[in-house]
Amino acid sequence: KAGVTQTPRYLIKTRGQQVTLSCSPISGHRSVSWYQQTPGQGLQFLFEYFSETQRNKGNFPGRFSGRQFSNSRSEMNVSTLELGDSALYLCASSSSGSGTTEAFFGQGTRLTVV
Amino acid sequence: KQEVTQIPAALSVPEGENLVLNCSFTDSAIYNLQWFRQDPGKGLTSLLLIQSSQREQTSGRLNASLDKSSGRSTLYIAASQPGDSATYLCAVRQGETSGSRLTFGEGTQLTVNP
Repeated sequence: KAGVTQTPRYLIKTRGQQVTLSCSPISGHRSVSWYQQTPGQGLQFLFEYFSETQRNKGNFPGRFSGRQFSNSRSEMNVSTLELGDSALYLCASSSSGSGTTEAFFGQGTRLTVV
Repeated sequence: KQEVTQIPAALSVPEGENLVLNCSFTDSAIYNLQWFRQDPGKGLTSLLLIQSSQREQTSGRLNASLDKSSGRSTLYIAASQPGDSATYLCAVRQGETSGSRLTFGEGTQLTVNP
């Protein structure tokens, strides 16, 4: 059974540009969550999608957005990139999204903004 | 607001030693707690999931306990090996309205010396 797949693995972007990251969850999983990891802030929750609907959102500016497709694949978009957006972006999938389910993470996308 | 704390922040031990990593959380109304391992620059690997109704879980040399009422969990690693060197993160999942959202601690960076 394939794990959670994130693409691309590495990205270098210039300030002001926008970027789209992709996450394919484990087959059959309907919940996809996104996290930002930085040395100073640790792992911070961005948002969660379940059955194509955003179910939860963290405290990030509106420049961060996402969506989920009918096949449960999810994309995250960051517009007007800032230097502080440089981070490891991690995606997690869960089967039903209920409170008792286990989360499985992908390898992450390392975004560097220059 | 849930806060998760991990002590110690870093730990260096000789190979073969048994060790305990600590995790505490401020809001005991959790659904479950999950321990992860993260190697440098990589994603998170799920180690153990403990439901709120459970007291402990075991996998190989790993044993995790949960005392929900006191807001504490411990991860016990028996007979540590150099391959155990990594950052260990604990994360809690709140009630049903939080969906799959996890709140993470800052992690314990473990080094096992040969």
